[in-house]
Amino acid sequence: KAGVTQTPRYLIKTRGQQVTLSCSPISGHRSVSWYQQTPGQGLQFLFEYFSETQRNKGNFPGRFSGRQFSNSRSEMNVSTLELGDSALYLCASRRGPMDGANVLTFGAGSRLTVL
Amino acid sequence: AQRVTQPEKLLSVFKGAPVELKCNYSYSGSPELFWYVQYSRQRLQLLLRHISRESIKGFTADLNKGETSFHLKKPFAQEEDSAMYYCALGSRGTYKYIFGTGTRLKVLA
Repeated sequence: KAGVTQTPRYLIKTRGQQVTLSCSPISGHRSVSWYQQTPGQGLQFLFEYFSETQRNKGNFPGRFSGRQFSNSRSEMNVSTLELGDSALYLCASRRGPMDGANVLTFGAGSRLTVL
Repeated sequence: AQRVTQPEKLLSVFKGAPVELKCNYSYSGSPELFWYVQYSRQRLQLLLRHISRESIKGFTADLNKGETSFHLKKPFAQEEDSAMYYCALGSRGTYKYIFGTGTRLKVLA
C-alpha cells in the first residue's frame, strides 16, 4: 500500500512569505501529525489532527497552523516566514489513538529553506 | 510532567562492541514505548515497540517500569547501525505522543 506522501519535497521561500505543505496519509489512517526536524532542536511536535479536528498542539507560535480534510489529507501553513523556520517538516499518520500499537508512519518530509 | 529523556546526543562505538542507547521516561498513565530510527537519507521509521518484545536487526529493548527506562541494546554493533535513534512514548486512547531529543549512533570501523 502507498506510504505517507508529502508535497512538495523541497521549497525555497523568502522571509515574510507564507508556505503550505501537504500530507496524504496511508489509506485508512485517520490521524495525521506534523513535526519540525532541525539539527539543533531535533524532532519537535507541531500538532495532530484526527477526524478533521486538531487534537493536540505543540509549543509553536500561531504562525504555524494546520487543517485536515474529510479524506484525512492534511495541510500545514506557516505564515510570515522567518529564517529560523528553515527545517525538515515531517508528517506522520496512524490509524488513531484507539489503535493500541500507536505506531506512526512517517513521510519523507518537506525541506523548507527560508532566505 | 510527561517527558522522554535521551541523555546522549552522540554515541560512538567501535564495530563489534556492545551498544546501549538510553531512554528514560516520565508518565503517569499507561505508556507505550517505541524506538524509531532514521538512517541517512531515509525516512524516520519504527524500529521496535515494547509490547512486541521482539528483536529487530539484533536490537532489543526492555521496558523497566521500576526505573522508568526503555534502553535500546545490541550486543555487537555493525557499521550499518549508524543512524539517529529516537525514543518515543505514546498512550492508548490519548493523543499524547512524545519523542526524546534523539541519539546519533556512530559505529566506527
